[in-house]
Amino acid sequence: DQQVKQNSPSLSVQEGRISILNCDYTNSMFDYFLWYKKYPAEGPTFLISISSIKDKNEDGRFTVFLNKSAKHLSLHIVPSQPGDSAVYFCAADSGANSKLTFGKGITLSVRP
Amino acid sequence: ETGVTQSPTHLIKTRGQQVTLRCSSQSGHNTVSWYQQALGQGPQFIFQYYREEENGRGNFPPRFSGLQFPNYSSELNVNALELDDSALYLCASSPTGGWQETQYFGPGTRLLVL
Repeated sequence: DQQVKQNSPSLSVQEGRISILNCDYTNSMFDYFLWYKKYPAEGPTFLISISSIKDKNEDGRFTVFLNKSAKHLSLHIVPSQPGDSAVYFCAADSGANSKLTFGKGITLSVRP
Repeated sequence: ETGVTQSPTHLIKTRGQQVTLRCSSQSGHNTVSWYQQALGQGPQFIFQYYREEENGRGNFPPRFSGLQFPNYSSELNVNALELDDSALYLCASSPTGGWQETQYFGPGTRLLVL
């Protein structure tokens, strides 16, 4: 039973355009959401997070949107750069003991 | 300030053996969590330690055990290794493990069980 779903396994965008990565969740107890980026042979690197009391959080080129009623969040990267090519994981936390539940990840390729 | 480090980077074991993986948390972080990432999957929570006590466990059998030490280091021990234990093992640290706190990951240890 996957509580965090990243239904698209991959996404390819042109450099300079917007990348939109989607994530859905089923557990209503999740109240904190995070995006991690992972390069091969490295651990996940924290990118951006959002609390359930907000619907948007922005950090430079990265913006995360949260739609609680739809149990959906998305990560927007504008403009996309070739160095953004990596696997992106959506993760959720219910606050019980900081146990993160991850999606399967989406591989983003940014074409020069 | 150093980040989270893990050792070894790679390890090959045979079925039935035991393995110990090590993690050094970020300085000042009292909470360490361990995750297993199988190929093509997202990381799965194994357990968490806060100030040397287990503070939550995922759906993993008792042959997965851990220790946390006062010097911000920790261990993941796996007994009676099975082929399905082949995965990337990640540790992550955070200051208190409290509400809405970000976890910072190490580079992982890739374990292959033959």
